[in-house]
Amino acid sequence: EVQLVESGGGLVKPGGSLRLSCAASGFTFSSYSMNWVRQAPGKGLEWVSSISSSSSYIYYADSVKGRFTISRDNAKNSLYLQMNSLRAEDTAVYYCARTREQLVGDFDFWGQGTLVTVSS
Amino acid sequence: EIVLTQSPGTLSLSPGERATLSCRASQSVSSSYLAWYQQKPGQAPRLLIYGASSRATGIPDRFSGSGSGTDFTLTISRLEPEDFAVYYCQQYGSSPQRYTFGQGTKLEIK
Repeated sequence: EVQLVESGGGLVKPGGSLRLSCAASGFTFSSYSMNWVRQAPGKGLEWVSSISSSSSYIYYADSVKGRFTISRDNAKNSLYLQMNSLRAEDTAVYYCARTREQLVGDFDFWGQGTLVTVSS
Repeated sequence: EIVLTQSPGTLSLSPGERATLSCRASQSVSSSYLAWYQQKPGQAPRLLIYGASSRATGIPDRFSGSGSGTDFTLTISRLEPEDFAVYYCQQYGSSPQRYTFGQGTKLEIK
């Protein structure tokens, strides 16, 4: 059974940093591109970042470029999101999600999310 | 940058009725990269349709997707109580490389 479990969320002050993790199991993690998607309270879905299976290709939304860094450790079946210079508008539930096939495309499995709150 | 506009914002229907949800793109989208998701309160999104018209694993056949170019549709043939949720369309664009979600359609019980 495919499982994605996010962790690392919490309350952080504006300008602070946080590192999210996503532990994957039930599939060959090293064969899939992975993604972070966020959802602000009461709002819709916003794509944040994507990373290819071997980390060769990395993409970011303009809203986080230069502040967030996506990475992965295939030996540990883990995906990460380093978030720096956090702003109030980064407050959201952050989901990790697997790309169903190939380098890009739809997301077939999602974690349950971790809440990040940026507030003083 | 491609913008996806979903309509209506809210759709009020009764169980057993047919639901038609629209997703319109600001410029042509590859059908291969158009997907639909369902999200219930407090839950993660679930992939329903990929490639504009292919059902994801385990998705009932009352869900169908269609469309091409700039206009895409998600149809639920006969609504079941568990179908009332928020639905999002999503596309992947290669220039620049990014994903875009529509703002969502809330399907509520009438």
